[in-house]
Amino acid sequence: NAGVTQTPKFRVLKTGQSMTLLCAQDMNHEYMYWYRQDPGMGLRLIHYSVGEGTTAKGEVPDGYNVSRLKKQNFLLGLESAAPSQTSVYFCASSIGIGQGNEKLFFGSGTQLSVL
Amino acid sequence: GNSVTQMEGPVTLSEEAFLTINCTYTATGYPSLFWYVQYPGEGLQLLLKATKADDKGSNKGFEATYRKETTSFHLEKGSVQVSDSAVYFCALDSGAGSYQLTFGKGTKLSVIP
Repeated sequence: NAGVTQTPKFRVLKTGQSMTLLCAQDMNHEYMYWYRQDPGMGLRLIHYSVGEGTTAKGEVPDGYNVSRLKKQNFLLGLESAAPSQTSVYFCASSIGIGQGNEKLFFGSGTQLSVL
Repeated sequence: GNSVTQMEGPVTLSEEAFLTINCTYTATGYPSLFWYVQYPGEGLQLLLKATKADDKGSNKGFEATYRKETTSFHLEKGSVQVSDSAVYFCALDSGAGSYQLTFGKGTKLSVIP
């Protein structure tokens, strides 16, 4: 079982460069999420999607864009990377939140460094 | 709004010691409560959950009881092992109409032999 797969696992960018992080899930989940994890800050929600073709802003959306063109994929884009975006990024998926199916399945993370 | 407050870490314990990680919450209505665990180099995974007051969630020797009167969901284990070294996150789901879990900041546990 693949579950939630994130690519790449590691990336180093220069300030101003762009990149896309890919998240793929094979569990037919409706809900998908992008979080960033920073020391002392815990997990912060960047964007999320409650279904194919829909996206919504989370707690810290600035500087990021997302797309959910296919149900199984959720892409996170950085148009012009900044050092403040150095972080570990996690994708997660769920059958649904607030509906009695609250279990989140997480990917193994992407370590991004912006120089 | 919803919020989760966890005890500050890191916590360092000797093997076979008793563990408590405190978690309190603020939420409207009747939230479901969770503990997630993150082992080094991995994503988070659900450890246990409780969906109503006085429920006890348990898994792998860990327990937590949903206390509505004290708005708490403290994580406990009677005898920790080195393999329990990880970061533990308390979280809540406020119920119908919510689309996301609210996480605490995490508590790092290190167990030494």
